[in-house]
Amino acid sequence: DAGVTQSPTHLIKTRGQQVTLRCSPKSGHDTVSWYQQALGQGPQFIFQYYEEEERQRGNFPDRFSGHQFPNYSSELNVNALLLGDSALYLCASSFSNRGGEQYFGPGTRLTVT
Amino acid sequence: DQQVKQNSPSLSVQEGRISILNCDYTNSMFDYFLWYKKYPAEGPTFLISISSIKDKNEDGRFTVFLNKSAKHLSLHIVPSQPGDSAVYFCAATENAGGTSYGKLTFGQGTILTVHP
Repeated sequence: DAGVTQSPTHLIKTRGQQVTLRCSPKSGHDTVSWYQQALGQGPQFIFQYYEEEERQRGNFPDRFSGHQFPNYSSELNVNALLLGDSALYLCASSFSNRGGEQYFGPGTRLTVT
Repeated sequence: DQQVKQNSPSLSVQEGRISILNCDYTNSMFDYFLWYKKYPAEGPTFLISISSIKDKNEDGRFTVFLNKSAKHLSLHIVPSQPGDSAVYFCAATENAGGTSYGKLTFGQGTILTVHP
């Protein structure tokens, strides 16, 4: 049973560019959440997708957008990258009707130069 | 506004002893609490959770205690093992309606080191 997978593992971008990160949820899960983790901090919630719609959003600007596909996989897009966007981006999946547990992927390390 | 706080950045324990990690929260709407363990270069791994209708949940060496009146939860690891050395995050969430839960709000993490 494959867990949550994310791609790519690492990414280096230049300020002002755009980036797309990808996530495949754990088998049987229908909900995907994205988090940003800065060094030395806990993960910060970006948004959650369920039934291909953004269900909840954290305190992140509109430069952060996402998408969920019919197979429940998801993308996170960040436009007009800033140096402060450098972080570990984590995807978590869950089953909408089974409690609050979310299962995390290994993350994508984004460096903006 | 830090709604979930882990006030101890680090904890050092001898192998075989008990590790106690603490977490405080301020949002009274939180009704589900979780602990995650994180190794470097990996995503957080779910350890154990507790609903606000309970005050204790046990799974093997891991026990989580919830004190709703104090808005405090703790994770006990007994006995501690060197492989338990990692960063531990507590997280909280609230029911978004029915059985549906939304975002997790995390603490800053506590680095646990278990010495052989």
